[in-house]
Amino acid sequence: SQQGEEDPQALSIQEGENATMNCSYKTSINNLQWYRQNSGRGLVHLILIRSNEREKHSGRLRVTLDTSKKSSSLLITASRAADTASYFCATDGDGGTSYGKLTFGQGTILTVHP
Amino acid sequence: DGGITQSPKYLFRKEGQNVTLSCEQNLNHDAMYWYRQDPGQGLRLIYYSQIVNDFQKGDIAEGYSVSREKKESFPLTVTSAQKNPTAFYLCASSISWGWSNQPQHFGDGTRLSIL
Repeated sequence: SQQGEEDPQALSIQEGENATMNCSYKTSINNLQWYRQNSGRGLVHLILIRSNEREKHSGRLRVTLDTSKKSSSLLITASRAADTASYFCATDGDGGTSYGKLTFGQGTILTVHP
Repeated sequence: DGGITQSPKYLFRKEGQNVTLSCEQNLNHDAMYWYRQDPGQGLRLIYYSQIVNDFQKGDIAEGYSVSREKKESFPLTVTSAQKNPTAFYLCASSISWGWSNQPQHFGDGTRLSIL
């Protein structure tokens, strides 16, 4: 079963705007990761946030994690057309087991219009 | 540059035929993974290997087989028993199984279709 579920399924914005994507999961986790996938390509790791962290930044990316609500958000600031891609959250540790095994959500398709 | 190479990029399978997808990594990673991605969907784990000469079934292993004879190679065979093989297949690796808080590195995938 899918551990993570992203919301919205699709997001369309203009260049320069911010994009926010949300991820919910069901069981306790060790960490949550966000990946990006360009059309027809493999996934690229963006950022990892541990279960004891609440917020993390990397360049224009900001990730938050609320373990009490079992949810995470990915914010991309000042978006660019090159940010157009699918974004996936992935959780590691379905209830504290299965280290190394990631469970992926269904993704958010982000389209940034120039 | 270190990375993961998947080949071929496109593959066509005839009815009753087995096909093998190649995955090679030069990252010196112990753990390797195979995922299946259907249109508009997330990734589902087919098989994973924690270390050379070892592999485990993932969530959707039926109709697939793997081997891990070398650290750098983890080929996936889609057998004739897999009745709906059309999908995008992704191979990934990570430094070591059992270490939490590490990312997975992905190849660029093989798109498999039925003739």
